[in-house]
Amino acid sequence: GDSVTQKQGQVTLSEDDFLFINCTYSTTTYPTLFWYVQYPGQGPQLLLKVTTANNKGISRGFEATYDKGTTSFHLQKASVQESDSAVYFCALVPNSAGNKLTFGIGTRVLVRP
Amino acid sequence: EAAVTQSPRNKVTVTGGNVTLSCRQTNSHNYMYWYRQDTGHGLRLIHYSYGAGNLQIGDVPDGYKATRTTQEDFFLLLELASPSQTSLYFCASSDWTGVAEQFFGPGTRLTVL
Repeated sequence: GDSVTQKQGQVTLSEDDFLFINCTYSTTTYPTLFWYVQYPGQGPQLLLKVTTANNKGISRGFEATYDKGTTSFHLQKASVQESDSAVYFCALVPNSAGNKLTFGIGTRVLVRP
Repeated sequence: EAAVTQSPRNKVTVTGGNVTLSCRQTNSHNYMYWYRQDTGHGLRLIHYSYGAGNLQIGDVPDGYKATRTTQEDFFLLLELASPSQTSLYFCASSDWTGVAEQFFGPGTRLTVL
């Protein structure tokens, strides 16, 4: 079945550090890939989405590139702020499965001032 | 602005109890979803619906029923609650389009003693 793997449970950074979160996926189709972010006490919200292989998604200073060759969709940001502290979820929709999202387990990012 | 509301926000019940979680969306979206969020598992889909009267089985449906009474309202029913159902529950909605953004509610924290 379809799956998304995030191996980092928690990442701790200082302000202005570089953020990199690993995400790899497994599916038999050509998926659409998402990053959702969940701030404390809130539901997840869409951060960015990419529908075409080798395309890049950019939002709020974050970027992720859909790499079909390595089946990866890593998230990065050049300089984090304390307000970026949140849980980040990688997710996919297989093209044949409509709106049914498969989420990774999430990576908690803590940014210290 | 998309709006998804959930009630109650917190609920404590005992093993064997009967619980109903409510969700309402004012986005005029066709799809609605119920997820549970647990540490180490991320978000897992319980049930979803693409319109009033429709119900689709998700990935972790055991012990849960759901009912979509109108386009706006989606309910999750736990008829014999168990401690394993202690979790944070999220409702979400999305449009018809195949890979549309999902809009999440604020969540309901359920504790089964």
